Amino acid sequence: EVKLVESGGGLVQPGRSLKLSCAASGFSFNDYWMGWVRQAPGKGLEWIGEINQDSSTINYTPSLKDKFTISRDNAQNTLYLQMSKLGSEDTAIYYCARAPSVTTHFDYWGQGVMVTVSS
Amino acid sequence: DIVLTQSPALAVSLGQRATISCRASQSVSTSSYNLMHWYQQKPGEQPKLLIYDASNLASGIPVRFSGSGSGTDFTLTINPVQADDIATYYCQQSRELPRTFGGGTKLELK
Repeated sequence: EVKLVESGGGLVQPGRSLKLSCAASGFSFNDYWMGWVRQAPGKGLEWIGEINQDSSTINYTPSLKDKFTISRDNAQNTLYLQMSKLGSEDTAIYYCARAPSVTTHFDYWGQGVMVTVSS
Repeated sequence: DIVLTQSPALAVSLGQRATISCRASQSVSTSSYNLMHWYQQKPGEQPKLLIYDASNLASGIPVRFSGSGSGTDFTLTINPVQADDIATYYCQQSRELPRTFGGGTKLELK
């Protein structure tokens, strides 16, 4: 069974950093692209970025490119999202998701982790 | 960026057909693929893949869901609508970076 479990969320002060993790199981992690999507409260889905199997290609939505960093550890079957200079606009549920290849859909999603940016 | 436009809401009766549209600001099709995908999201849950590449049914999804379209105009059809289908539906394109989602269509009961 494919499982994606996010962790690392919580309450963080404006301007601080936070690193999210996504633990993958039930499939060969290093065979897949992976991505991050977020959803602000009551809003729609926003694509954050994606990373290929060997981390040689990482793509971001332009507005977040200088704030967020996606990485992965294939030995640990884990995807990461490092977030810096957080503001209230970053308050959202953050989902990790699996993609069969670069130009495809997300076929499995984690349950999401909440990040709240507030003083 | 490719902008995907969806109607915010659609009211439908149980047992009837629901047609949800998604229009892209530019083509999301290649010579081989229509790179538009559809997801269902229920309150408090993560999105679930329904349709990929415009018309391919994802694993485990009931056949009452179907997708069509090419270029800039795409449709998700649910026929017949069941109570369990009340949710918000999002389209997403993977033709270009950044990948983008539509604003979502909330399916409501009439």
